[in-house]
Amino acid sequence: DTGVSQNPRHKITKRGQNVTFRCDPISEHNRLYWYRQTLGQGPEFLTYFQNEAQLEKSRLLSDRFSAERPKGSFSTLEIQRTEQGDSAMYLCASSLPQTLVAEKSNEGQFFGPGTRLTVL
Amino acid sequence: LAKTTQPISMDSYEGQEVNITCSHNNIATNDYITWYQQFPSQGPRFIIQGYKTKVTNEVASLFIPADRKSSTLSLPRVSLSDTAVYYCLVGDPYSSASKIIFGSGTRLSIRP
Repeated sequence: DTGVSQNPRHKITKRGQNVTFRCDPISEHNRLYWYRQTLGQGPEFLTYFQNEAQLEKSRLLSDRFSAERPKGSFSTLEIQRTEQGDSAMYLCASSLPQTLVAEKSNEGQFFGPGTRLTVL
Repeated sequence: LAKTTQPISMDSYEGQEVNITCSHNNIATNDYITWYQQFPSQGPRFIIQGYKTKVTNEVASLFIPADRKSSTLSLPRVSLSDTAVYYCLVGDPYSSASKIIFGSGTRLSIRP
């Protein structure tokens, strides 16, 4: 396993367009997270899945944002009607099930390289 | 939410030990302290996590006093490649993901 992968790595779009990002987590990780990061700031939590269930959503996640993880493996994050304020790095992370943490020692969240979105 | 306070930036030299302190006065009983490292244009990377006293792994040590209101990440013998942003997070990693906040981090610069 090569770690968490995200596609595309870069996306430039015009205001008002829809964009979709994909995240492939580490195979044995059942937890998947989405974050957004702007320049000079730490990552901001957006949403969290355990298997296919979306358990938490941040208030930052407006109704233009939707995330799915239909089979409990890869996840997609869609932004509809993009705005210039959506320009940011979108990070995906995955982590071990809690039941495995004690066996393997906690390794925290494994982050992907991110998708950099620029909205013109 | 357990808020953390860390220095905005720190400078040091190759071969030195670097200690970055994080304050978290309202840490809760079930909260752990976790540190991440982030290089430009990359996602954060887990460094170390602890609950109390001292934790050591191959890259760092984490010192947590008895009252747990602060913690110190110690990087032994830093090199140029340790130049990065370091984030201190406080929260229960086994419950609410949304309550674990990254903050702005400490920008560490290592000079030759």
